[in-house]
Amino acid sequence: DTGVSQDPRHKITKRGQNVTFRCDPISEHNRLYWYRQTLGQGPEFLTYFQNEAQLEKSRLLSDRFSAERPKGSFSTLEIQRTEQGDSAMYLCASSLGPNNEKLFFGSGTQLSVL
Amino acid sequence: EDKVVQSPLSLVVHEGDTVTLNCSYEVTNFRSLLWYKQEKKAPTFLFMLTSSGIEKKSGRLSSILDKKELFSILNITATQTGDSAVYLCAVKATNNNDMRFGAGTRLTVKP
Repeated sequence: DTGVSQDPRHKITKRGQNVTFRCDPISEHNRLYWYRQTLGQGPEFLTYFQNEAQLEKSRLLSDRFSAERPKGSFSTLEIQRTEQGDSAMYLCASSLGPNNEKLFFGSGTQLSVL
Repeated sequence: EDKVVQSPLSLVVHEGDTVTLNCSYEVTNFRSLLWYKQEKKAPTFLFMLTSSGIEKKSGRLSSILDKKELFSILNITATQTGDSAVYLCAVKATNNNDMRFGAGTRLTVKP
């Protein structure tokens, strides 16, 4: 399968713990995005990479959230000191590059913070 | 602030019915509008629209954009139970890299 893959599919954690999610985009895609989706809402933009450079972050993104894409391939999203309000589906998407808005999404990581 | 509003929020129809889903937007420096279908987890791409009045069509699905009135519709004819999903509308501006999504329309097609 050459689509966008995310790991893990589900994560249950206790409040205050740190969690890390991984995303492997489609190999030739140089743009990678992280979104968060809660029940009954559309995906909400978190951050965006072009190759290894993080070019944009949502103003709403807490400083407990950090993302990396060290070699311009896979990316990780870490949430420190999780809170119950962080419970959501975290979606990763990738695209080919400039002037190509078509995003390919992974199946997401469902985070539950108890 | 950029805004994307979808209506209705949910819709229940029977197989064979035709449905129209609406998406209105307020986006500075509009570039494109996209429709996605989300069945369980990953949204999958349906259409991208950039020009007014040009209908995009794929089988029983079609979509059109009105840039003057700032809306798009997604039509599904002869609905099937497999069309049951959340349909998401998203808008891209020219001056930023994120895509703003609406809350989606949850379509349920009953046999």
